[in-house]
Amino acid sequence: QGQLVESGGGVVQPGTSLRLSCAASEFTFSAFGMHWVRQAPGKGLEWVAVILYDGTNKFYRESVQGRFTISRDNSKNAVYLDMTSLRAEDTAVYYCLRDRVSYSARPSGTYWGPGTLVIVSS
Amino acid sequence: DIQMTQSPSSLSASVGDRVTITCQASEDISDYLNWFQHKPGQAPKLLIYDASNLEIGVPSRFSGGGSGTDFTFTISSLQPEDIATYYCQQYDNFPRTFGPGTKVDVK
Repeated sequence: QGQLVESGGGVVQPGTSLRLSCAASEFTFSAFGMHWVRQAPGKGLEWVAVILYDGTNKFYRESVQGRFTISRDNSKNAVYLDMTSLRAEDTAVYYCLRDRVSYSARPSGTYWGPGTLVIVSS
Repeated sequence: DIQMTQSPSSLSASVGDRVTITCQASEDISDYLNWFQHKPGQAPKLLIYDASNLEIGVPSRFSGGGSGTDFTFTISSLQPEDIATYYCQQYDNFPRTFGPGTKVDVK
């Protein structure tokens, strides 16, 4: 399954930006789609975005479309989530996920990192 | 968006009991469904993929079934370590969506 470790979380003010990173190891990173999923305090799981294994296709949930950008660097085994115009409702633990199947045309996001907490508050 | 519903929202059962959770999709998702176990302070863990396939290393007391819009998740003999919240997730369409979760407790 490999290892995923998120970083970059913290406390930020509304309207500001933040970059989350996810370092991957112990698997062939360039072969797998990567996702971000979040969980707001006391709430359920909410899928945020996915980038396919080769970076050619990206999909977002509507509430972050235009504000968040997912990207990857296969040479560094890393995936990123650039978040701008942050809102209080973006406060959550953000998890990085890897697909179960390599080169998947139907990315599902199945193996999770431990998460990083983002708090948006003035 | 495909809406996922789960029932019950919570349950309490005795060790050894059979526990069943249902998940319903708002439209046909074939068998593109995962089941995850989420314990507090831990990363969620995949238990079942493609609606009925047991992930490697997951105890055989966990099972899943169904296709289309109606799915079930069963713990055949509840153990104390199964205390967690369980989520279904569809991956037929974007955005991927999760059910609201079922919190399982042991009496």
